[in-house]
Order: sequence, then structure tokens, then C-alpha cells
Amino acid sequence: GAVVSQHPSRVICKSGTSVKIECRSLDFQATTMFWYRQFPKQSLMLMATSNEGSKATYEQGVEKDKFLINHASLTLSTLTVTSAHPEDSSFYICSATGAGAANEKLFFGSGTQLSVL
Amino acid sequence: DAKTTQPPSMDCAEGRAANLPCNHSTISGNEYVYWYRQIHSQGPQYIIHGLKNNETNEMASLIITEDRKSSTLILPHATLRDTAVYYCIVRVANTNAGKSTFGDGTTLTVKP
Repeated sequence: GAVVSQHPSRVICKSGTSVKIECRSLDFQATTMFWYRQFPKQSLMLMATSNEGSKATYEQGVEKDKFLINHASLTLSTLTVTSAHPEDSSFYICSATGAGAANEKLFFGSGTQLSVL
Repeated sequence: DAKTTQPPSMDCAEGRAANLPCNHSTISGNEYVYWYRQIHSQGPQYIIHGLKNNETNEMASLIITEDRKSSTLILPHATLRDTAVYYCIVRVANTNAGKSTFGDGTTLTVKP
């Protein structure tokens, strides 16, 4: 089945630094990728939708200048948390879907646990 | 806002069938019903999806009501490893616009 690889799985950073999370589709062309954030004991919250070669569409309340999303190729999307603060500590998850049969399902990465000190 | 509602928690005895309900009364004609599950600190795992016909795969069965306003995920012989949060979502497939909004899900606990 289709695989989405997310890296890193865990990152600890100092407040004020930026962190980049990568999401790769390994065996299909991901025309659309989604980024979610999940706090402990809560559901996944959609942050943004990115289509390859286009600017990301952010959900209401999500700061686009803080959470930079790049989807420059059909196999890679990145989420950069800029000037991270402790309140940005969360579990970040990407998902991807593609064209044709690959659009039937959403494939999820394994998630990135971000801890900002 | 999430388009689905699920009971917050359910218990099931090991070896018995687990039936997880989901209401999606505002589902559109081109939206599919998807089920995923999430084990702590992992990404959601795909289980099954369907449009209007009942579906079955090696993991589970999906029963969708004729009016498509609700569905039930059936795990035929639950094991301890099936303990997880189960999410029912609706999304448009076969289009790049098919974003998915997650509700709160059902925490299924399989007990020995």
C-alpha cells in the first residue's frame, strides 16, 4: 500500500528557533497534502491544505506566517514552525492523497512530536 | 466543524465483535465514509471506506445505512491490539478538494 514518510519523529528545540518537518510520499504522486496538529487527548485539527505548486490554504485561526508550508514537488511537503514557542508544542501529522486510485484514500505519516523548551 | 458524531468511548470483550457507530446526517452525495484508527502517538491508520454499499476487507466491515446518514464499523473478532481511537470521517474522493475534518472519535477498549 501507499506509504507516507514523516521526519523527524521527535524534535526538541529552544524557544525562538524554527523547526522543519518533512512529509514524503514514497510510492505515489501526492497532489494534495494536509497538515494536522493534535494536542494530548484531543482529535486531529486540520491546519492547512497544500496542493503541489500552489500556495497552501490555511484553516481559520492558523497563522500562515508562523506555520510555513511548502509543497514544491509531488513527493514532498514541508511544514516549518517559525519562532517556535512552548505553546507550539504538539503532535504534528501530515497526510497525502494523489491522483486516480491514490485519491481514494488519505495516507498518513507517523507524526512528529514537537517539544519547545 | 466535524461532519460526524461518534460515542466517546466503548468497551468490547476480546474475541467478540466490536460495533462502532457513526452519524453523518449531513453527508453529501459525493462524500465517502472513511474509518481510521489511531494508537497513541502514531499517525492514523486506514481501515476501510465506502460510498453507499457495504464493504469488507481483511480488517473490518463497513455497514452504511440506505439513507447514508449513519454507518457502523464492525471488527469481527476484536483483539487487545485493536484498542485505539477510531475516527469516522467523510470526504470527497477523486478530487484534490477532499480535505478531511476529524471529530472526536471513539476510544475503543478491548478487554481480556
